[in-house]
Amino acid sequence: GAVVSQHPSRVICKSGTSVKIECRSLDFQATTMFWYRQFPKQSLMLMATSNEGSKATYEQGVEKDKFLINHASLTLSTLTVTSAHPEDSSFYICSARESSGGNTEAFFGQGTRLTVV
Amino acid sequence: AQSVTQLDSQVPVFEEAPVELRCNYSSSVSVYLFWYVQYPNQGLQLLLKYLSGSTLVESINGFEAEFNKSQTSFHLRKPSVHISDTAEYFCAVSESGGYQKVTFGTGTKLQVIP
Repeated sequence: GAVVSQHPSRVICKSGTSVKIECRSLDFQATTMFWYRQFPKQSLMLMATSNEGSKATYEQGVEKDKFLINHASLTLSTLTVTSAHPEDSSFYICSARESSGGNTEAFFGQGTRLTVV
Repeated sequence: AQSVTQLDSQVPVFEEAPVELRCNYSSSVSVYLFWYVQYPNQGLQLLLKYLSGSTLVESINGFEAEFNKSQTSFHLRKPSVHISDTAEYFCAVSESGGYQKVTFGTGTKLQVIP
């Protein structure tokens, strides 16, 4: 299947700093990418839908100024956690669907474990 | 809007025994259904999917799931589990067509006991 690469896989940062997470579709073009957050022992919660060339669509309750999403090309979306705090510590996962058709599965990255100290 | 219910948070089962992980969904429109597996500290891997056609779908490692529209279910089964099947399994649904977002269930942790 198609490959989605997420980087970094783990990051530890100090409270108040910003962290950028990259999500790349390696062998296909993705008009739309999705960002999820997973708390320990819980399911994945959709944070936002990232659309290439336009503003991201955020789910209710997700602060768009805190979680900045940029989808500058058909193969790259970035999530920046600004002024991170310990409560932002979580597992962040991106997914992407091929642009060529809607009837396809979503491919997931390996996830990024963010720890804010 | 759609939702997914996985009633069992944990399912312990002995090695080589059969297992069923339950999944029910609700939606007002046609849906696609998925099962994903997540190993510790890893992302999600697609196990199998139902898009259309045959209601029984199979994975390469022996899992199968059957789409039951009348019962709005998509239970996952395996006749004989292995230690390596120990993982968390997520049922998911999306509206059919387009680039619809995927909604996940809360997950079921399958623990295979030697």
